[in-house]
Amino acid sequence: QKEVEQNSGPLSVPEGAIASLNCTYSDRVSQSFFWYRQYSGKSPELIMSIYSNGDKEDGRFTAQLNKASQYVSLLIRDSQPSDSATYLCAVHPNAGGTSYGKLTFGQGTILTVHP
Amino acid sequence: DTAVSQTPKYLVTQMGNDKSIKCEQNLGHDTMYWYKQDSKKFLKIMFSYNNKELIINETVPNRFSPKSPDKAHLNLHINSLELGDSAVYFCASSPIAGPYGYTFGSGTRLTVV
Repeated sequence: QKEVEQNSGPLSVPEGAIASLNCTYSDRVSQSFFWYRQYSGKSPELIMSIYSNGDKEDGRFTAQLNKASQYVSLLIRDSQPSDSATYLCAVHPNAGGTSYGKLTFGQGTILTVHP
Repeated sequence: DTAVSQTPKYLVTQMGNDKSIKCEQNLGHDTMYWYKQDSKKFLKIMFSYNNKELIINETVPNRFSPKSPDKAHLNLHINSLELGDSAVYFCASSPIAGPYGYTFGSGTRLTVV
């Protein structure tokens, strides 16, 4: 089982729709979760972080975390063509110990928003 | 501009050569990382330094040697380059070695021919 797994995609949604990106993780004691956006040929850019169960909203983005189900998702409301990118889920393995800030990434989901 | 900067942006070299990639951050962060992104966009950690001290060393061939002269700089030297080393190498930093998001550099696309 992969440590961090994302829905394989690619995901295509029409402009104005809600895009839903999903991620599961295997380490039950993981504490910190991140979503990065990566445009083609560019570096990953942090767009959301979430640490507690529930929803966290930032503009058109909502991150959802369910630690019992080991599941984290990203919703993008009113999707725009400029949201077309690869979205990477990243997990910090545990609250401290020897992980030293190591983030484990999923394989990414390619999102295309078409006009 | 506050940022993580990497040089060079592109590197094309022949098998067997030795090359270096440099990284600098002016964010005041204590921790820096090297990640490798393969052709399928999978990002995998290679090394991490906290205030010049090596704290993560994943299963990486010993042809790869990181060096951190100070906490703002982290370089990567690769000896005897192989075709399989072709990838994008990203430097990143975080405030401390903990559960925080990273700021990534712009990446170095290495092509070994």
